[in-house]
Amino acid sequence: GQSLEQPSEVTAVEGAIVQINCTYQTSGFYGLSWYQQHDGGAPTFLSYNGLDGLEETGRFSSFLSRSDSYGYLLLQELQMKDSASYFCAVSGGYQKVTFGTGTKLQVIP
Amino acid sequence: EPEVTQTPSHQVTQMGQEVILRCVPISNHLYFYWYRQILGQKVEFLVSFYNNEISEKSEIFDDQFSVERPDGSNFTLKIRSTKLEDSAMYFCASGASSGANVLTFGAGSRLTVL
Repeated sequence: GQSLEQPSEVTAVEGAIVQINCTYQTSGFYGLSWYQQHDGGAPTFLSYNGLDGLEETGRFSSFLSRSDSYGYLLLQELQMKDSASYFCAVSGGYQKVTFGTGTKLQVIP
Repeated sequence: EPEVTQTPSHQVTQMGQEVILRCVPISNHLYFYWYRQILGQKVEFLVSFYNNEISEKSEIFDDQFSVERPDGSNFTLKIRSTKLEDSAMYFCASGASSGANVLTFGAGSRLTVL
């Protein structure tokens, strides 16, 4: 089976940097993805790591360490619109993507 | 920008009734998925579909559920004999490549079972 753990809530100040961690256990591993979901909306893809290291996409970066079964999403220059839930997701089987428990990020002025 | 479209956006049904949720994936995508999300909870994998057959399914996806790609564009999820606990948002997603690196989700179909 697969399980992914994330902090349930994080609060950060506008303009700051926040890191959302994800630890996972999976019987197979093809990569770690991150999705953003605003209240009432659909998950939208942010970033993917298939190999160890850092991937940068604008204000968002994602990191993976396969040996530690760990990854994180880094959000820089936080904006109010970044308030949302963030899910890590593991591609564990050939076509199975399992989502984590989700982290609700609140950005405050 | 290409998008995944889902219908209906909201459906209310009586317990025990059958429901069909419809999805039109992105046209050049080959891998299709259904997820569900109970209010305030995580996104749960139900099933993936490739080359006209199920490639993976979760323990949630029991005999009550079925999927079909009846033509070249639609991808449907059928729930037979709905239960109260089936009330959730159901998301369809599609992907272009194997390994499910990037999924594009539809806006979802909210199912309410009374």
